[in-house]
Parts: sequence; structure tokens; C-alpha cells
Amino acid sequence: AQSVTQLGSHVSVSEGALVLLRCNYSSSVPPYLFWYVQYPNQGLQLLLKYTSAATLVKGINGFEAEFKKSETSFHLTKPSAHMSDAAEYFCAVSRKGGTSYGKLTFGQGTILTVHP
Amino acid sequence: SQTIHQWPATLVQPVGSPLSLECTVEGTSNPNLYWYRQAAGRGLQLLFYSIGIDQISSEVPQNLSASRPQDRQFILSSKKLLLSDSGFYLCAWSASPYEQYFGPGTRLTVT
Repeated sequence: AQSVTQLGSHVSVSEGALVLLRCNYSSSVPPYLFWYVQYPNQGLQLLLKYTSAATLVKGINGFEAEFKKSETSFHLTKPSAHMSDAAEYFCAVSRKGGTSYGKLTFGQGTILTVHP
Repeated sequence: SQTIHQWPATLVQPVGSPLSLECTVEGTSNPNLYWYRQAAGRGLQLLFYSIGIDQISSEVPQNLSASRPQDRQFILSSKKLLLSDSGFYLCAWSASPYEQYFGPGTRLTVT
């Protein structure tokens, strides 16, 4: 079975500061990993994905994440936070080589607050 | 490009009433389709997934059901709503087995 743990249900940063959202996964086989962002009362938007190519993945809105197999981590970072980054962020894992329906397992989410 | 629609956007229904939420996808064929529920503070719960017309699997026992009458249409239904059915319902599609793309969601309040 696979699982995802997001460390910290709430993260608060100042505008211009580094954003670091933590995600650790558990999977019996090499996984595919994803970060999604959700703004209030909206659906989830795919930020970036790791699919076994480069371990450092760049996404939209200046975010990036690094796959570290030895640490079973896929932390999301952004060098300088903007007010518009305030949202809830979800890490998700999919089992590589799984069945065709491709189930995603989501973490519980991290709410990012950005202070002026 | 692909687009996913959900309606209605918001819904207030009394306990015991029926439910029908609709999801349609444009710009792709034979997508995998998913229904999720997002209750306050509880993350995303996969309810149903479908790999084709009339091929639907349920993830959790509940009083909800799903149907896929057409290739790009996915419907979530209930005969009698419970208070615990309140939440934010999200439909998603995927063309590959992996990343999913989400619709705008339906906010359901059962009173």
C-alpha cells in the first residue's frame, strides 16, 4: 500500500520568503509523485509531477520539487513567496506500473498563509 | 485542449432528498473518470472511478452511486441524502494512468 504524509497542516511565511512544504511518501515500488494547489472553493490544479525523469522538477508559478529516493521525500519549494501563493497544497502519489485507472493517494494538505 | 465541467456549482438539499451531480469532459476520448469528496479538514476521499462506459468501481461503502452513460459523462447520485453527505465534490479525469485533472467542484450542503 502507498501513503503520503504532509508535515505541517499549516505553514505561514512572509512575502518574499522561502516556501518549503514537506511531503514524504511510502510506496513498495518506485512511485509517480504530484503536487496540486487548491484555492478556496475551486478544484485542484496540477503544479508539477515527477515521473522518473529528472529528480528536480519545475512546475508552474515558480514552484519546484526534488525527488529524494533515499529520504522518500518530495518537498515543494519556491524561493520567494507571493501573496497569490496563499492556498492549500496537496501532495499525491501514484503507483508506477499500477492498474490502468491510476489511483492517486493524497496527503491531508498544507494550508499556506503568506503575510505582507 | 481538454475541459472539465461540473454542475451545479452549489446545491442545498434537505435530508432524504435525491441527488444528481454531473461531470462532463471535452477534448479527449475514453478518459478515466473519478469522483472525490472533500469534507472539511479531511482531505480528498476517492468515491468512484471509471475506466470506461458502464465500468465503475466503488472505493467506499456509502449511500452514493455513480454512472457513466456516455464516454465523457460521469454522474454521481443518491436516492436519499444524509447529513454526512455534505461536502465539496470533485470530478477528475486522466488520459494516462497517472496525473489527474480536476473540475471546479460542487459544494453540497445537506440540511
